[in-house]
Amino acid sequence: AQRVTQPEKLLSVFKGAPVELKCNYSYSGSPELFWYVQYSRQRLQLLLRHISRESIKGFTADLNKGETSFHLKKPFAQEEDSAMYYCALKGSNYQLIWGAGTKLIIKP
Amino acid sequence: EAQVTQNPRYLITVTGKKLTVTCSQNMNHEYMSWYRQDPGLGLRQIYYSMNVEVTDKGDVPEGYKVSRKEKRNFPLILESPSPNQTSLYFCASSLSTGLEKLFFGSGTQLSVL
Repeated sequence: AQRVTQPEKLLSVFKGAPVELKCNYSYSGSPELFWYVQYSRQRLQLLLRHISRESIKGFTADLNKGETSFHLKKPFAQEEDSAMYYCALKGSNYQLIWGAGTKLIIKP
Repeated sequence: EAQVTQNPRYLITVTGKKLTVTCSQNMNHEYMSWYRQDPGLGLRQIYYSMNVEVTDKGDVPEGYKVSRKEKRNFPLILESPSPNQTSLYFCASSLSTGLEKLFFGSGTQLSVL
């Protein structure tokens, strides 16, 4: 089965604290994973792709095939990071399979 | 400005009254898709299109129709809406079927009474 699980519906951390948004996946082939973000009153947009191995807005995510995870991390949270974050897996049949999302709140 | 345009942003209708949500992109993207978003369920794909005149069902196609007569437009049609189709709908497009980067519309909040 192809599935993406984001176990936390809500994550609240203080400004300056480290952030980790969890994402686990189930996929039999070689996975291709993404993080999308939706800031308040903005459109859903791509944050990063595991293939690019890039850091965007201080966020990184490493694919761990052994643990089937693709957690999103940032060492020092900023208030502007408050948003809804979605993990997505490129499945078969030209689809993206989405997690339920995690709402991240950064407290001042 | 390169973008995906959805209309309307908000729509309240009654059971059984046919409606269409329009989606247009000006980026010459091949791939277009419709999603619905419900609390606790994330985004679920309704239909997608890999190119003009090529459409296919996603995970939750029942009660919906789509068409792709032109590359830029991908309307979502509800022939006979029911209350369980009350949801937030998103249209998205991608340059290719590789789905390297999806561009999303601003969403349509539909309420079926």
